[in-house]
Amino acid sequence: GIQVEQSPPDLILQEGANSTLRCNFSDSVNNLQWFHQNPWGQLINLFYIPSGTKQNGRLSATTVATERYSLLYISSSQTTDSGVYFCAKGDGGATNKLIFGTGTLLAVQP
Amino acid sequence: DAGVIQSPRHEVTEMGQEVTLRCKPISGHDYLFWYRQTMMRGLELLIYFNNNVPIDDSGMPEDRFSAKMPNASFSTLKIQPSEPRDSAVYFCASRSPERANYGYTFGSGTRLTVV
Repeated sequence: GIQVEQSPPDLILQEGANSTLRCNFSDSVNNLQWFHQNPWGQLINLFYIPSGTKQNGRLSATTVATERYSLLYISSSQTTDSGVYFCAKGDGGATNKLIFGTGTLLAVQP
Repeated sequence: DAGVIQSPRHEVTEMGQEVTLRCKPISGHDYLFWYRQTMMRGLELLIYFNNNVPIDDSGMPEDRFSAKMPNASFSTLKIQPSEPRDSAVYFCASRSPERANYGYTFGSGTRLTVV
C-alpha cells in the first residue's frame, strides 16, 4: 500500500532554533498536506502543497514530487510550535482521500 | 466562517450503549470525511461523502458503525452497540471543491470513552 514515512519521529528544540521535518512517500503525489496537532488535540492545516514551495510566516514547505519527498521548515521556533506534525498524502484516487504519516513529535523548550 | 463543528467534544458511555457523533462541515465544501485517531493506529479514514453521498466506507471497522449525511450541512457517525475498543478521538473534516484549495479543514474532534 501507499507509504508515508516521517522523520525524525521526535525532536526537542530550544526556543529560537530552526528545524526541518521530512516526509517521504512511496509513489507519485497529487495531494500533499502538512498538519499541526497542538497539545489540545486540534488538527490545523498548515499547507496544501502537491509541488513547489510555500511560505506562511515562520513556516515554509517544499515538495519535490519527482523525488517523492516533502520538507517542512520551522524557523525561530516558539513554544507554541510544540505538538505533532503530520504529513498526509492523497491516495491517487479521484477524491484524493488522505493517508497520514505517523507524525513528528516536536517539543520546543523555553 | 465557524469552521467544521463537531459535537459533543467529549462523550463517556457504557459498553453496549448507542453513541451518535455529529458534524457540521464548512458551507460550500463538497467532501466530508470521518477519521478516527488512536495511539496504536494513528489517523484512520472511516468513511467519506461527496455531495452528501457515501463514496467509500471501507474503513468502517464493522457493522456496528454507520454514518449518514442527510444534507450538505450535517453528518452523523453512529456506533451501536459501543465497545471499549471504540474509545478514540473521532474527527470530521471537510474539503473545498476548488482545486487550488484542496486542503482539509478538521473539526475539534470528539473524544469518546467507552467504559
